[in-house]
Amino acid sequence: DAGVIQSPRHEVTEMGQEVTLRCKPISGHDYLFWYRQTMMRGLELLIYFNNNVPIDDSGMPEDRFSAKMPNASFSTLKIQPSEPRDSAVYFCASMHSTSSYEQYFGPGTRLTVT
Amino acid sequence: GIQVEQSPPDLILQEGANSTLRCNFSDSVNNLQWFHQNPWGQLINLFYIPSGTKQNGRLSATTVATERYSLLYISSSQTTDSGVYFCAVERDYGQNFVFGPGTRLSVLP
Repeated sequence: DAGVIQSPRHEVTEMGQEVTLRCKPISGHDYLFWYRQTMMRGLELLIYFNNNVPIDDSGMPEDRFSAKMPNASFSTLKIQPSEPRDSAVYFCASMHSTSSYEQYFGPGTRLTVT
Repeated sequence: GIQVEQSPPDLILQEGANSTLRCNFSDSVNNLQWFHQNPWGQLINLFYIPSGTKQNGRLSATTVATERYSLLYISSSQTTDSGVYFCAVERDYGQNFVFGPGTRLSVLP
């Protein structure tokens, strides 16, 4: 398997623009996670899905953020409108529920909002 | 919410040395994991260890849940062990993990 795939790897956008981050989990995994990493706040869980259903979105910072998982092989994290404080590395991870909770992380998307 | 502390914040070792990283948490937890982030940013799950001891090669981890801490041992360190080690905990039998600030390890050749 190719592992968790994220795109784009780097994104630079202007304040106010819409940003869409994409994730393809490992085939057969039934959990998908979106994390954000910044110097100030460290690693934070934003939202996670089980069997394509959002289970806990308490980490989503505000209404400008939304996440979807239309099928088992694809998820998006959207920020609209983007702000400079959204600049961070966004990680997607997936896990199989019978795998002793081992999460596999994608390479991350580095987002810069100017 | 639950607080997670890690110590030391930074650690520099010579290759071949052993080290112990500590994770303290403020409340009882049901899940605890250790992760390694290499210098290129890739995150890797090391251990799922809500209690007890596990070993994987040169790495081992022990969690004493009743005393609210976990330890990660690295023996015979190698330069490839460099990076940041994160502890993450979860209280409610779900997957909403709270991460500690990490320990940055540098192993010198």
